[in-house]
Amino acid sequence: AQTVTQSQPEMSVQEAETVTLSCTYDTSENNYYLFWYKQPPSRQMILVIRQEAYKQQNATENRFSVNFQKAAKSFSLKISDSQLGDTAMYFCAFMKLSTGTASKLTFGTGTRLQVTL
Amino acid sequence: DGGITQSPKYLFRKEGQNVTLSCEQNLNHDAMYWYRQDPGQGLRLIYYSQIVNDFQKGDIAEGYSVSREKKESFPLTVTSAQKNPTAFYLCASSLTGQVGELFFGEGSRLTVL
Repeated sequence: AQTVTQSQPEMSVQEAETVTLSCTYDTSENNYYLFWYKQPPSRQMILVIRQEAYKQQNATENRFSVNFQKAAKSFSLKISDSQLGDTAMYFCAFMKLSTGTASKLTFGTGTRLQVTL
Repeated sequence: DGGITQSPKYLFRKEGQNVTLSCEQNLNHDAMYWYRQDPGQGLRLIYYSQIVNDFQKGDIAEGYSVSREKKESFPLTVTSAQKNPTAFYLCASSLTGQVGELFFGEGSRLTVL
C-alpha cells in the first residue's frame, strides 16, 4: 500500500513571497504519478500540477513548480509570487500506473496555507 | 456549464437512519468516485466506478453502498452500519486518458445526531 505524508499542517506566507510545501511518499512501485491539489475555502478541489515519475524534469505550471526527488521519495510544491487567492488547503496525492480507466489517488493529510498582506 | 453537482450541501440525520447523497455530472466522464474528508486525515476513497453498472470498493467501503445505473449519476448511501458517518463527502469524476485529473463537486456535509 502507498502512503503520502505531509508534515506541515499549516503554513503562512506573505503576499509576493515564495513558499514551499513538503510531501513525502512511500511506495514499492516504479511507475506512478504524483499530484498537488488545491482546496480553497469554497471547498471545490482543483488539480494544480502533475508529475510523471518516469520524467526527470520537474513539472511547472505558471507560478507553481515541483521538486521531485524520486530516490528520496520527495515531492515538494513551490509557489512563487504568492497571491491572496493561493490561500487554501493543499493536498499531495499519489497514483500508481494501472490499466484501468479510473484514477485511484491516495491523498496526504493536507497543508493549510494562509497568504497574508 | 459543465460540472459536478452534489446535493444536498448540508444534511442532518438521526443515528440509525440510512442517508443517500446525490452526485450528478454532465462532463461525459466515464469514471466517478466518492471520497470522505475528515479533519487531519485528508481524503479517503470510499467507492469508485469506471463504467455504468460496475463499481469497486475503495479503502473505506464498509457501511457504504453505491449504484451506477446511469453514466451521469453515482449516488452514495451511508447506511446505519457506518460507525462514524459524520463527515464531509466529496464526489469526483475523471475522463479516460486524463491521468489523475479529478473534477470535484462542492461536497456534502453529513452530520449524524
